[in-house]
Amino acid sequence: QKEVEQNSGPLSVPEGAIASLNCTYSDRVSQSFFWYRQYSGKSPELIMSIYSNGDKEDGRFTAQLNKASQYVSLLIRDSQPSDSATYLCAVVGATAGNNRKLIWGLGTSLAVNP
Amino acid sequence: ETGVTQSPTHLIKTRGQQVTLRCSSQSGHNTVSWYQQALGQGPQFIFQYYREEENGRGNFPPRFSGLQFPNYSSELNVNALELDDSALYLCASRPIGGDTEAFFGQGTRLTVV
Repeated sequence: QKEVEQNSGPLSVPEGAIASLNCTYSDRVSQSFFWYRQYSGKSPELIMSIYSNGDKEDGRFTAQLNKASQYVSLLIRDSQPSDSATYLCAVVGATAGNNRKLIWGLGTSLAVNP
Repeated sequence: ETGVTQSPTHLIKTRGQQVTLRCSSQSGHNTVSWYQQALGQGPQFIFQYYREEENGRGNFPPRFSGLQFPNYSSELNVNALELDDSALYLCASRPIGGDTEAFFGQGTRLTVV
């Protein structure tokens, strides 16, 4: 089992719809969870971080975390064509001092159709 | 604009050669991590440097090595290049007390022929 799993997609939604992106992780002691957006040929850009169970909202983005189910999701409301990108889920496990590293999923490709 | 700068942006090397990639981190960021991202894959952690010492390493062979300098800039060196080393190499820096590598450079696209 991969440490962080995402559906590769492509996920296709019409403009204005809600896009739902999902991620599961295997390390039960994981503490920090992140969603990055990556446009083709560009480097990843952090868009959301979440640390506690429940929902966290930032503009059109909502991250949802359920540690019992080892599941984190990202909802994008009112999807725009500019949201078309690959969304990467990243997880930080138990840490020792400053020795932290991110474990990445393969990413989900999102296409928002005008 | 993240304040993290990588050079060069593109590079073509021949199998068996050596390459050095460079990263200048944002002011105040003392932790630098390097990632390899093959086409269609998520980034894979290579190693991390904190205060000029390697303090974490992923599943990469010893021919991948690095350095961090007193100004927190960093280098990634790859010896004996293989075709499979062709990828986007990403550098990310983390602020002191930050919880993750929030800031990535634009990446170096390495092609090995």
